[in-house]
Amino acid sequence: DAGVIQSPRHEVTEMGQEVTLRCKPISGHNSLFWYRQTMMRGLELLIYFNNNVPIDDSGMPEDRFSAKMPNASFSTLKIQPSEPRDSAVYFCASTRDSPATDTQYFGPGTRLTVL
Amino acid sequence: AQSVTQLGSHVSVSEGALVLLRCNYSSSVPPYLFWYVQYPNQGLQLLLKYTSAATLVKGINGFEAEFKKSETSFHLTKPSAHMSDAAEYFCAVPGYSTLTFGKGTMLLVSP
Repeated sequence: DAGVIQSPRHEVTEMGQEVTLRCKPISGHNSLFWYRQTMMRGLELLIYFNNNVPIDDSGMPEDRFSAKMPNASFSTLKIQPSEPRDSAVYFCASTRDSPATDTQYFGPGTRLTVL
Repeated sequence: AQSVTQLGSHVSVSEGALVLLRCNYSSSVPPYLFWYVQYPNQGLQLLLKYTSAATLVKGINGFEAEFKKSETSFHLTKPSAHMSDAAEYFCAVPGYSTLTFGKGTMLLVSP
């Protein structure tokens, strides 16, 4: 079975541009997470969905960030407009059932660079 | 809410030496505890999981962790480090609704 799939793997954009990151969770998994990882702040949970519904978005930095999960097999994280401080590695992860106690399966990440 | 503290942002060992990465949990006894590993340029992956069935938990690649209630600890060990163990290691505990990760410990292995 394929793992969590993320695209693109690398993204370089200029400040002010819109960026869309994509994630396909493992089939049959009910919870999906978006994380951001930087040297300064470490691993941060941005938002998580359960059965396609956003449950906790308290980690979303500001209104420039938005996330959607239109169906069980696809999610997007959008940044508009992007800023240099958004440069980070963004990870998507999924779990089969419980978001707190089941194993989280991480994708390979998208490395975002905003110039 | 539960949290974990990882002592030491970096740990350096020589190849063949004992690996000890520390993790302490807060307050009440958690029903689950996790160790995840992140190899360079990859996402995190599960190393091992404590579920209260046994205090000594064995994971992949020769790692194990022991749950000690008296010390509120769940330290990760490996008897003999290998160069391929160089990675960042995260301890995690169930939080309010999702996993709460520690800040991570980078393991450096020298020849």
